[in-house]
Amino acid sequence: EVQLVESGGGLVQPGGSLRLSCAASGFTFSNYAMSWVRQVPGKGLEWVSAISGAGGSTYHADSVQGRFAISRDNSKNTLHLQMNSLRAEDTAMYYCAKEPYAAAGDAFDLWGRGTMVIVSS
Amino acid sequence: EIVMMQSPATLSVSPGERATLSCRASQSVSNNLAWYQQKPGRAPRLLIYGASTRATGIPARFSGSGSGKEFTLTISSPQSEDFAVYYCQQYNNWYSFGQGTKLEIK
Repeated sequence: EVQLVESGGGLVQPGGSLRLSCAASGFTFSNYAMSWVRQVPGKGLEWVSAISGAGGSTYHADSVQGRFAISRDNSKNTLHLQMNSLRAEDTAMYYCAKEPYAAAGDAFDLWGRGTMVIVSS
Repeated sequence: EIVMMQSPATLSVSPGERATLSCRASQSVSNNLAWYQQKPGRAPRLLIYGASTRATGIPARFSGSGSGKEFTLTISSPQSEDFAVYYCQQYNNWYSFGQGTKLEIK
């Protein structure tokens, strides 16, 4: 079955760190760019970070630049998001999403179910 | 940053009544525009990409049109399972989403 399963969310204090993971199955993971997209409950969607299929190119939204880092392990079919210096405004459901090509910059044709991150003291 | 604006915020229609959702970009995004459907507690699902191409498995009652700055998603005869929130997204210059249109039963 083609699917994405996120993990690693939870409650963290402001200024803390968290590492999210996304396990992919049912397709050749290294052939596709991947992204993280977040959503504050009851609100809209915000793109966070993207990475090319081979992992050589990464991109981050201005709101997380310098604090978050996206990476992937194609040998383990896993996508990661390292989140540092977390703020209350980072509280959201985090989704991993697949693109249809190896280069980033397209629509998201497959989404995971998300993992919730809460930043609070 | 390209800002995407959707209207209306809420659209009330009766089952079977045509629904038309609009999306406007702050600058041209060519045809690099996607539509997603999201139901409560679920992840978004891709409906339309390239402004007008239905994704795999999407029923023909969903159609997209437009290019440049103005786009439309039309649901010709909404079924009960179509009442949800719809988002447009541009991917011409990175990625940005509209704020969503909630399609509700009248």
